[in-house]
Amino acid sequence: DAMVIQNPRYQVTQFGKPVTLSCSQTLNHNVMYWYQQKSSQAPKLLFHYYDKDFNNEADTPDNFQSRRPNTSFCFLDIRSPGLGDAAMYLCATSRPGPYEQYFGPGTRLTVT
Amino acid sequence: DAKTTQPNSMESNEEEPVHLPCNHSTISGTDYIHWYRQLPSQGPEYVIHGLTSNVNNRMASLAIAEDRKSSTLILHRATLRDAAVYYCIPTMEYGNKLVFGAGTILRVKS
Repeated sequence: DAMVIQNPRYQVTQFGKPVTLSCSQTLNHNVMYWYQQKSSQAPKLLFHYYDKDFNNEADTPDNFQSRRPNTSFCFLDIRSPGLGDAAMYLCATSRPGPYEQYFGPGTRLTVT
Repeated sequence: DAKTTQPNSMESNEEEPVHLPCNHSTISGTDYIHWYRQLPSQGPEYVIHGLTSNVNNRMASLAIAEDRKSSTLILHRATLRDAAVYYCIPTMEYGNKLVFGAGTILRVKS
């Protein structure tokens, strides 16, 4: 089945140690998104790519970066994780326009 | 972004219909209304979306008020698997962004 895959499902990193989360898709969608979901909160969009065009949300901290080397893959880099960055990170994809987004299962990040 | 108001929580009995309301009085004329749900420990899942007319799919029905200031997601026969947080999200015609509100926690009793 076509899907959105996130690896790893669980990631533990140390305070200040860079970490990379990955997302891949077999849907061939143009648009890929990264959301952050903290405990008991709703998902919050960090940024998205439309093909290779990067769109950052105004309130996304500089500590969060992203790369999209090709259509299928997208990475979330956290340069210096703080304790407040512990969260579920969700990747999603969609076609351009008001169409449904397909979410991956998420990566739960713990910062020690 | 259009603001939404949803009940914090609702409860339903298994096998009964559920009507989940959403107010979106600031919606613009070209905003679509999307509904997503999130089961425990999973990523959000698309449920349904519409613009003006009522919509049906295999999961649910969406009833949109004539003035588009509110909508109702209808689950025709709730099952235990439908217990989730349901989010009503207006989205722009040419946009892709989802701005999640607090949503409604749906509990289903057996």
